Amino acid sequence: KNQVEQSPQSLIILEGKNCTLQCNYTVSPFSNLRWYKQDTGRGPVSLTIMTFSENTKSNGRYTATLDADTKQSSLHITASQLSDSASYICVVRDGNNRLAFGKGNQVVVIP
Amino acid sequence: DGGITQSPKYLFRKEGQNVTLSCEQNLNHDAMYWYRQDPGQGLRLIYYSQIVNDFQKGDIAEGYSVSREKKESFPLTVTSAQKNPTAFYLCASQQGTGANVLTFGAGSRLTVL
Repeated sequence: KNQVEQSPQSLIILEGKNCTLQCNYTVSPFSNLRWYKQDTGRGPVSLTIMTFSENTKSNGRYTATLDADTKQSSLHITASQLSDSASYICVVRDGNNRLAFGKGNQVVVIP
Repeated sequence: DGGITQSPKYLFRKEGQNVTLSCEQNLNHDAMYWYRQDPGQGLRLIYYSQIVNDFQKGDIAEGYSVSREKKESFPLTVTSAQKNPTAFYLCASQQGTGANVLTFGAGSRLTVL
Protein backbone atom coordinates (compact mmCIF):
# COMPACT_ATOMS: atom_id res chain seq x y z
CA LYS A 1 0.00 0.00 0.00
CA ASN A 2 1.31 3.44 -0.92
CA GLN A 3 2.07 5.45 2.17
CA VAL A 4 3.26 8.94 2.96
CA GLU A 5 4.69 9.75 6.40
CA GLN A 6 5.34 13.32 7.53
CA SER A 7 7.34 14.58 10.46
CA PRO A 8 7.22 16.35 12.78
CA GLN A 9 3.47 16.17 13.31
CA SER A 10 3.51 19.70 14.65
CA LEU A 11 6.01 22.39 15.55
CA ILE A 12 6.13 25.91 16.93
CA ILE A 13 8.72 28.35 15.64
CA LEU A 14 9.56 31.97 16.29
CA GLU A 15 8.85 34.51 13.59
CA GLY A 16 11.93 35.00 11.44
CA LYS A 17 13.36 31.54 12.09
CA ASN A 18 13.76 28.73 9.58
CA CYS A 19 12.23 25.25 9.73
CA THR A 20 12.32 22.03 7.74
CA LEU A 21 9.47 19.58 7.27
CA GLN A 22 10.03 15.97 6.25
CA CYS A 23 8.10 13.62 3.99
CA ASN A 24 8.97 9.94 3.51
CA TYR A 25 7.01 7.81 1.06
CA THR A 26 6.75 4.24 -0.13
CA VAL A 27 4.82 5.04 -3.31
CA SER A 28 5.83 2.97 -6.31
CA PRO A 29 6.10 3.56 -9.17
CA PHE A 30 6.73 7.23 -8.43
CA SER A 31 5.33 9.95 -10.68
CA ASN A 32 5.57 13.23 -8.78
CA LEU A 33 5.38 14.81 -5.34
CA ARG A 34 3.61 18.00 -4.37
CA TRP A 35 3.65 20.10 -1.25
CA TYR A 36 0.40 21.87 -0.41
CA LYS A 37 -0.25 24.56 2.18
CA GLN A 38 -3.58 24.43 3.98
CA ASP A 39 -4.70 27.35 6.12
CA THR A 40 -7.12 26.51 8.90
CA GLY A 41 -10.64 26.01 7.58
CA ARG A 42 -9.54 26.38 3.95
CA GLY A 43 -8.64 24.12 1.05
CA PRO A 44 -5.02 23.16 0.30
CA VAL A 45 -3.04 25.25 -2.18
CA SER A 46 -0.13 23.85 -4.17
CA LEU A 47 3.31 25.23 -3.29
CA THR A 48 5.57 23.17 -5.50
CA ILE A 49 5.79 19.99 -7.55
CA MET A 50 8.79 17.68 -7.74
CA THR A 51 9.35 15.12 -10.46
CA PHE A 52 11.83 12.23 -10.46
CA SER A 53 14.65 14.21 -12.05
CA GLU A 54 14.36 17.29 -9.84
CA ASN A 55 16.38 17.69 -6.65
CA THR A 56 15.47 21.19 -5.53
CA LYS A 57 12.75 23.69 -6.34
CA SER A 58 11.97 27.03 -4.74
CA ASN A 59 8.82 29.09 -4.49
CA GLY A 60 9.66 32.31 -2.68
CA ARG A 61 10.66 31.44 0.88
CA TYR A 62 9.68 27.80 0.37
CA THR A 63 12.29 25.33 -0.92
CA ALA A 64 11.45 21.71 -1.60
CA THR A 65 13.98 18.94 -2.07
CA LEU A 66 13.58 15.41 -3.36
CA ASP A 67 15.78 12.34 -3.02
CA ALA A 68 14.11 9.75 -5.22
CA ASP A 69 16.62 7.08 -4.19
CA THR A 70 15.76 7.25 -0.50
CA LYS A 71 12.16 8.32 -1.20
CA GLN A 72 12.40 11.41 0.92
CA SER A 73 11.35 15.00 0.43
CA SER A 74 11.70 18.07 2.58
CA LEU A 75 10.13 21.50 2.63
CA HIS A 76 12.27 24.29 4.05
CA ILE A 77 10.68 27.55 5.16
CA THR A 78 13.08 30.48 5.34
CA ALA A 79 12.57 33.52 7.56
CA SER A 80 9.15 32.39 8.73
CA GLN A 81 6.24 34.80 8.89
CA LEU A 82 3.04 34.66 10.89
CA SER A 83 1.17 33.86 7.67
CA ASP A 84 3.18 30.64 7.37
CA SER A 85 1.09 29.18 10.20
CA ALA A 86 -0.72 26.35 8.44
CA SER A 87 -0.70 22.63 7.74
CA TYR A 88 1.73 21.49 5.05
CA ILE A 89 0.63 18.38 3.21
CA CYS A 90 2.88 16.09 1.16
CA VAL A 91 1.06 14.37 -1.71
CA VAL A 92 2.65 11.69 -3.88
CA ARG A 93 1.24 10.55 -7.21
CA ASP A 94 2.04 7.04 -8.43
CA GLY A 95 2.41 5.75 -11.95
CA ASN A 96 -1.23 4.66 -11.97
CA ASN A 97 -2.32 8.24 -11.30
CA ARG A 98 -3.39 7.52 -7.73
CA LEU A 99 -2.64 10.05 -4.98
CA ALA A 100 -1.34 9.27 -1.50
CA PHE A 101 -1.74 12.03 1.09
CA GLY A 102 0.34 12.58 4.19
CA LYS A 103 -1.32 13.67 7.42
CA GLY A 104 0.36 17.04 7.30
CA ASN A 105 2.87 19.03 9.32
CA GLN A 106 1.12 21.58 11.53
CA VAL A 107 3.28 24.71 11.76
CA VAL A 108 2.59 27.53 14.21
CA VAL A 109 4.65 30.69 13.92
CA ILE A 110 4.66 32.90 17.00
CA PRO A 111 5.82 36.52 17.24
CA ASP B 1 -12.10 34.88 -10.87
CA GLY B 2 -11.85 31.21 -11.75
CA GLY B 3 -12.14 28.74 -8.95
CA ILE B 4 -14.17 26.22 -7.02
CA THR B 5 -17.08 27.20 -4.83
CA GLN B 6 -18.32 24.92 -2.10
CA SER B 7 -21.48 25.52 -0.13
CA PRO B 8 -22.53 25.65 2.56
CA LYS B 9 -19.39 26.43 4.56
CA TYR B 10 -20.92 25.02 7.74
CA LEU B 11 -23.79 22.55 8.00
CA PHE B 12 -25.50 20.89 10.92
CA ARG B 13 -27.80 17.95 10.57
CA LYS B 14 -29.59 15.48 12.77
CA GLU B 15 -28.85 11.79 12.65
CA GLY B 16 -30.84 9.99 9.99
CA GLN B 17 -31.02 12.95 7.63
CA ASN B 18 -29.46 13.14 4.20
CA VAL B 19 -27.56 16.28 3.29
CA THR B 20 -26.15 17.51 -0.04
CA LEU B 21 -22.94 19.51 -0.35
CA SER B 22 -22.56 21.69 -3.41
CA CYS B 23 -19.40 22.01 -5.52
CA GLU B 24 -19.24 24.28 -8.56
CA GLN B 25 -16.18 25.11 -10.69
CA ASN B 26 -15.72 27.60 -13.51
CA LEU B 27 -12.23 26.43 -14.47
CA ASN B 28 -13.49 24.21 -17.31
CA HIS B 29 -11.77 21.27 -15.64
CA ASP B 30 -12.71 17.77 -16.73
CA ALA B 31 -12.05 15.90 -13.49
CA MET B 32 -13.64 16.57 -10.11
CA TYR B 33 -13.07 14.92 -6.74
CA TRP B 34 -14.54 14.72 -3.26
CA TYR B 35 -12.28 14.17 -0.27
CA ARG B 36 -12.96 13.80 3.41
CA GLN B 37 -10.54 15.26 5.99
CA ASP B 38 -10.54 14.20 9.62
CA PRO B 39 -8.24 15.53 12.37
CA GLY B 40 -4.87 13.81 12.33
CA GLN B 41 -5.57 11.97 9.08
CA GLY B 42 -4.66 12.47 5.47
CA LEU B 43 -7.29 13.29 2.88
CA ARG B 44 -9.34 10.29 1.81
CA LEU B 45 -10.99 9.99 -1.58
CA ILE B 46 -14.77 9.53 -1.56
CA TYR B 47 -15.77 9.78 -5.23
CA TYR B 48 -14.30 11.16 -8.42
CA SER B 49 -15.50 11.96 -11.90
CA GLN B 50 -13.37 12.35 -15.00
CA ILE B 51 -16.17 13.17 -17.40
CA VAL B 52 -19.80 14.27 -17.37
CA ASN B 53 -22.31 11.53 -16.53
CA ASP B 54 -19.59 9.23 -15.23
CA PHE B 55 -18.10 8.81 -11.77
CA GLN B 56 -16.18 6.19 -9.77
CA LYS B 57 -16.02 5.21 -6.11
CA GLY B 58 -12.98 6.19 -4.16
CA ASP B 59 -11.59 4.54 -1.05
CA ILE B 60 -14.46 5.43 1.31
CA ALA B 61 -17.59 5.69 -0.88
CA GLU B 62 -19.96 3.82 1.46
CA GLY B 63 -22.74 6.09 2.70
CA TYR B 64 -22.13 8.73 0.03
CA SER B 65 -23.56 9.41 -3.43
CA VAL B 66 -22.69 11.84 -6.22
CA SER B 67 -23.90 13.00 -9.62
CA ARG B 68 -22.17 14.70 -12.55
CA GLU B 69 -24.90 16.02 -14.80
CA LYS B 70 -22.92 19.13 -15.76
CA LYS B 71 -19.20 19.63 -16.25
CA GLU B 72 -19.08 22.43 -13.70
CA SER B 73 -21.07 20.74 -10.93
CA PHE B 74 -20.33 17.72 -8.72
CA PRO B 75 -22.64 17.59 -5.67
CA LEU B 76 -22.05 15.13 -2.84
CA THR B 77 -24.89 13.63 -0.82
CA VAL B 78 -24.09 12.32 2.63
CA THR B 79 -26.74 9.74 3.38
CA SER B 80 -28.01 8.39 6.66
CA ALA B 81 -26.07 5.21 5.90
CA GLN B 82 -22.77 7.03 6.57
CA LYS B 83 -21.90 5.94 10.10
CA ASN B 84 -19.62 8.81 11.03
CA PRO B 85 -20.37 11.77 8.76
CA THR B 86 -18.99 14.59 10.92
CA ALA B 87 -15.95 15.83 8.99
CA PHE B 88 -14.47 18.51 6.75
CA TYR B 89 -15.31 17.85 3.10
CA LEU B 90 -13.13 19.12 0.29
CA CYS B 91 -14.02 19.29 -3.39
CA ALA B 92 -11.26 19.54 -5.99
CA SER B 93 -10.92 19.73 -9.73
CA GLN B 94 -8.14 19.04 -12.20
CA GLN B 95 -7.54 19.72 -15.86
CA GLY B 96 -6.90 16.35 -17.46
CA THR B 97 -4.87 13.88 -15.41
CA GLY B 98 -1.28 13.18 -14.55
CA ALA B 99 0.89 15.88 -13.06
CA ASN B 100 -1.70 18.63 -13.24
CA VAL B 101 -2.37 20.32 -9.96
CA LEU B 102 -5.53 19.78 -7.96
CA THR B 103 -7.46 22.98 -7.29
CA PHE B 104 -9.40 22.76 -4.04
CA GLY B 105 -12.49 24.53 -2.81
CA ALA B 106 -12.62 26.15 0.62
CA GLY B 107 -14.35 23.13 2.15
CA SER B 108 -17.62 22.37 3.91
CA ARG B 109 -17.71 21.39 7.57
CA LEU B 110 -20.53 18.98 8.37
CA THR B 111 -21.52 18.32 11.96
CA VAL B 112 -24.06 15.67 12.86
CA LEU B 113 -25.87 16.36 16.11
